[in-house]
Amino acid sequence: AQSVTQPDIHITVSEGASLELRCNYSYGATPYLFWYVQSPGQGLQLLLKYFSGDTLVQGIKGFEAEFKRSQSSFNLRKPSVHWSDAAEYFCAVGAGNRDDKIIFGKGTRLHILP
Amino acid sequence: KAGVTQTPRYLIKTRGQQVTLSCSPISGHRSVSWYQQTPGQGLQFLFEYFSETQRNKGNFPGRFSGRQFSNSRSEMNVSTLELGDSALYLCASSQGQGQAFFGQGTRLTVV
Repeated sequence: AQSVTQPDIHITVSEGASLELRCNYSYGATPYLFWYVQSPGQGLQLLLKYFSGDTLVQGIKGFEAEFKRSQSSFNLRKPSVHWSDAAEYFCAVGAGNRDDKIIFGKGTRLHILP
Repeated sequence: KAGVTQTPRYLIKTRGQQVTLSCSPISGHRSVSWYQQTPGQGLQFLFEYFSETQRNKGNFPGRFSGRQFSNSRSEMNVSTLELGDSALYLCASSQGQGQAFFGQGTRLTVV
């Protein structure tokens, strides 16, 4: 069965520190992978996606993620976080152009210390 | 281009009532998906419509239904509301290439 695991429910980092949010997936075929961010009371904004090709993908707001097939992982990274990055982050997997159903992880809430 | 528009943004209903939520996708997008977000269960897929046909369905009871019109606008209906249906309902539109754009959601509270 398709699934996404985000092992960290909450993460707290200091402003200016580096960040890595973990994501592991289970999928029968080559997955389409996504990271979304959600601010309180808002919808989801796409940070980045991986469909194929270069396994290191760049996204908006200075985020990047690396696809590691051998580890079934797609971790999100940022070298230096800003207070405005405090939000909830969702890793997700989809079937791509076969259909648009997306399976989401439970999310990681990021807290930023000043 | 305008983004995905969901109406209404907030809704309060009584147990046993029914509710209809609306989603207008990005112009040119033919796929609309619906998700339910709750603190306990997270984001769960409800169903997906493509060109007026339901292409995929999640594990929700038959009280949850949807439809898509010829202009790609979609509605979701929940009948016989239960307290547990209180949630943020998110709509996403796509051109069918696996990348979804989400609306701001409709916050449904059942009392």
